[in-house]
Amino acid sequence: SQTIHQWPATLVQPVGSPLSLECTVEGTSNPNLYWYRQAAGRGLQLLFYSVGIGQISSEVPQNLSASRPQDRQFILSSKKLLLSDSGFYLCAWSSAGAVGETQYFGPGTRLLVL
Amino acid sequence: SQQGEEDPQALSIQEGENATMNCSYKTSINNLQWYRQNSGRGLVHLILIRSNEREKHSGRLRVTLDTSKKSSSLLITASRAADTASYFCATDKSNDYKLSFGAGTTVTVRA
Repeated sequence: SQTIHQWPATLVQPVGSPLSLECTVEGTSNPNLYWYRQAAGRGLQLLFYSVGIGQISSEVPQNLSASRPQDRQFILSSKKLLLSDSGFYLCAWSSAGAVGETQYFGPGTRLLVL
Repeated sequence: SQQGEEDPQALSIQEGENATMNCSYKTSINNLQWYRQNSGRGLVHLILIRSNEREKHSGRLRVTLDTSKKSSSLLITASRAADTASYFCATDKSNDYKLSFGAGTTVTVRA
């Protein structure tokens, strides 16, 4: 069966510090991978998605970046965090080539920038 | 911008009652999905309904889709305290890997 992991679960970082959030998927090959951000009490905002190694599509201009160094690894990074980067970050995957199909979410990382 | 918009924003019901929430969207879709999110957790997929389907059931869940009105509804029958969560609809666009999520309906089931 497939599983998705995210870490860390919670992170408190000062403004201006770097960020690296990691997401890994097990039990599937060449998944589509997604990073979302959720503000408190709000819906999901798609940040990045990837349909293959080294292929990253950015949805929202911001000071975040994403990378996919391996087939089942997706990393969200920032060189300098802003207060507005605080939120709940969710990674998700869907089956390779799946258009509009089910996405499976990780447990999320709660980021607080102070 | 968000494609799907849920209504109402919040819903409080007594255990055993039914809960109904709606989702409206703006452009043509292939599929519409409903997800549940417990507080502080990731989203869990509940049900997917395709554009050529009108109704779908899964356990105590019933989803309808009206493509002419660009709307969907999720009905939870005989609610339980464990159904307390936020519910989101998500829509796709033709030949697009992305889903667009609404802001969600927060459901509270009182014991």
